[in-house]
Amino acid sequence: AQSVTQLDSQVPVFEEAPVELRCNYSSSVSVYLFWYVQYPNQGLQLLLKYLSGSTLVKGINGFEAEFNKSQTSFHLRKPSVHISDTAEYFCAVSDRGAGKSTFGDGTTLTVKP
Amino acid sequence: DAGVIQSPRHEVTEMGQEVTLRCKPISGHDYLFWYRQTMMRGLELLIYFNNNVPIDDSGMPEDRFSAKMPNASFSTLKIQPSEPRDSAVYFCASSLMTSGQQYFGPGTRLTVT
Repeated sequence: AQSVTQLDSQVPVFEEAPVELRCNYSSSVSVYLFWYVQYPNQGLQLLLKYLSGSTLVKGINGFEAEFNKSQTSFHLRKPSVHISDTAEYFCAVSDRGAGKSTFGDGTTLTVKP
Repeated sequence: DAGVIQSPRHEVTEMGQEVTLRCKPISGHDYLFWYRQTMMRGLELLIYFNNNVPIDDSGMPEDRFSAKMPNASFSTLKIQPSEPRDSAVYFCASSLMTSGQQYFGPGTRLTVT
């Protein structure tokens, strides 16, 4: 069975500072990995995904994530955050070919001026 | 493509009434998911379909909840009778098995008084 652990429920950070949102997963098979972002009063939208190939994945809005198979992690990073990055971020894992994803509990990123 | 379409966007109803939420997935997608999101419980998977067939409904909280997918372009989630604790945002999402990425609708905010 899959599981996803987002290690921080809330991350406050000042504008223009770097940020890392941590995600660990467990699965017995090869996986796809995702980060989604949810802005207030909206649905989730894809930030980036890892399917195969390069372990460093770049997404929208300057975010990137690195797949680390040995540590079963997929941490999300951004070198300089903006006020508009304030949102909830979800990490998700899907067994290859399974269709269904398991989501983490979410991390609330709050960017302060 | 218009993305995943959900209706209504907001629903206010009285306890005991029947509520029907509707979803139109992205054309060509073979998976459809229903989620519920609350502050207390976070994002919960209620049920999902593959090629219009329900695969896993273990997340449906009670027999008051039912979901159908009569064809590839339409699904409903019904609550009968509704209770105040059903108040939440309900999301529909669709995906292709080959990619695993889920596309979320804007959600239906349900308030049961």
